[in-house]
Amino acid sequence: DSGVTQTPKHLITATGQRVTLRCSPRSGDLSVYWYQQSLDQGLQFLIQYYNGEERAKGNILERFSAQQFPDLHSELNLSSLELGDSALYFCASSPPSAGTDTQYFGPGTRLTVL
Amino acid sequence: AQKVTQAQTEISVVEKEDVTLDCVYETRDTTYYLFWYKQPPSGELVFLIRRNSFDEQNEISGRYSWNFQKSTSSFNFTITASQVVDSAVYFCALSVVGDYGQNFVFGPGTRLSVLP
Repeated sequence: DSGVTQTPKHLITATGQRVTLRCSPRSGDLSVYWYQQSLDQGLQFLIQYYNGEERAKGNILERFSAQQFPDLHSELNLSSLELGDSALYFCASSPPSAGTDTQYFGPGTRLTVL
Repeated sequence: AQKVTQAQTEISVVEKEDVTLDCVYETRDTTYYLFWYKQPPSGELVFLIRRNSFDEQNEISGRYSWNFQKSTSSFNFTITASQVVDSAVYFCALSVVGDYGQNFVFGPGTRLSVLP
């Protein structure tokens, strides 16, 4: 158990809908990263937050947004869902440090868009 | 642009054999990080190592070792005396600092099967 929790584990929804994925980092970790893993695109980095502020942005679509709250949990919002958004979404957290350090991954949320 | 190539799509070995997973990266940045991750059949991702571009020292952790060679832009991963539990997909990744902070680029992964 990495100490990172993600909810829900599975999510099935329809095209055009909006969903929110939640991630709670390990106690004491300030960084949260979001990744998408799909059959078509492989593993992709979406976005990183550090202590509530956006730190880095990767291949995140404009239909997607994220935030990190004062208690350090993070949410990834996916809207106007398309079939291609079906994927496994991972979050990871890392301890406070100047750079990217050891990352601890959550179990992932499997999103299916029908 | 950054790119990571893992030319070996699938590798199959018999338990106790040594196996090397290749990773070749492309970047024009002089400061970058290289990573390896493991994804066992259960699906979770496990961070294995991070190496920065200024540290070419090879690293050994138990049966795992990593060989970083800037001259060939490679960051290869060797498992010594492989075990069935090593069966997984292994991803190599590169991160550089861009306009939007640090970005990660992943290779397509190498599926390793260790047979008993």
